[in-house]
Amino acid sequence: NAGVTQTPKFRVLKTGQSMTLLCAQDMNHEYMYWYRQDPGMGLRLIHYSVGEGTTAKGEVPDGYNVSRLKKQNFLLGLESAAPSQTSVYFCASSLGQTIMNTEAFFGQGTRLTVV
Amino acid sequence: GESVGLHLPTLSVQEGDNSIINCAYSNSASDYFIWYKQESGKGPQFIIDIRSNMDKRQGQRVTVLLNKTVKHLSLQIAATQPGDSAVYFCAESLMDSSYKLIFGSGTRLLVRP
Repeated sequence: NAGVTQTPKFRVLKTGQSMTLLCAQDMNHEYMYWYRQDPGMGLRLIHYSVGEGTTAKGEVPDGYNVSRLKKQNFLLGLESAAPSQTSVYFCASSLGQTIMNTEAFFGQGTRLTVV
Repeated sequence: GESVGLHLPTLSVQEGDNSIINCAYSNSASDYFIWYKQESGKGPQFIIDIRSNMDKRQGQRVTVLLNKTVKHLSLQIAATQPGDSAVYFCAESLMDSSYKLIFGSGTRLLVRP
């Protein structure tokens, strides 16, 4: 059981380049999330999805887009990368249907550097 | 907006001692709280959770205490081990969007041998 898998694990982008981060989960979870984590800080929610075909904005959505075409996958896109988007990105998933199913399972993270 | 915060950014303890990591939350409507452990280079890992109708919950070597009067949450680790060295986050879940977790900024726990 792989859990939550993120690809790639590391990436360096030039300012203005675009890229897509892929998150895949094999736990049949309805809810998926993208967080960013900056040095010395907690995780901030970028976007989330409560089910296939649905997405919503989190705390820091600007500069990112997401898609949830399949239940098991949640894609995070950067259309025009900026140095301020240098961060570690974590994907998570949860059952989320009741409050006791809020426990989120996290991927290993993607370290993105924008130069 | 309201957020979850922590009192101490770094906590250093002697191996074998008990550790107490604190967290303050500001939203009295929060119904559910989780502690996560994050080791270097890894994603956060669930440790223990507690609902707002409880004051205390125990796991293996860990205890979470919730004081709703002062909106305070703590994680107690008994007989701290080197493997406990990590960053610990508390997270709260709001009643109107229980599937969305709001994370605090984290406390780094360092265990001295």
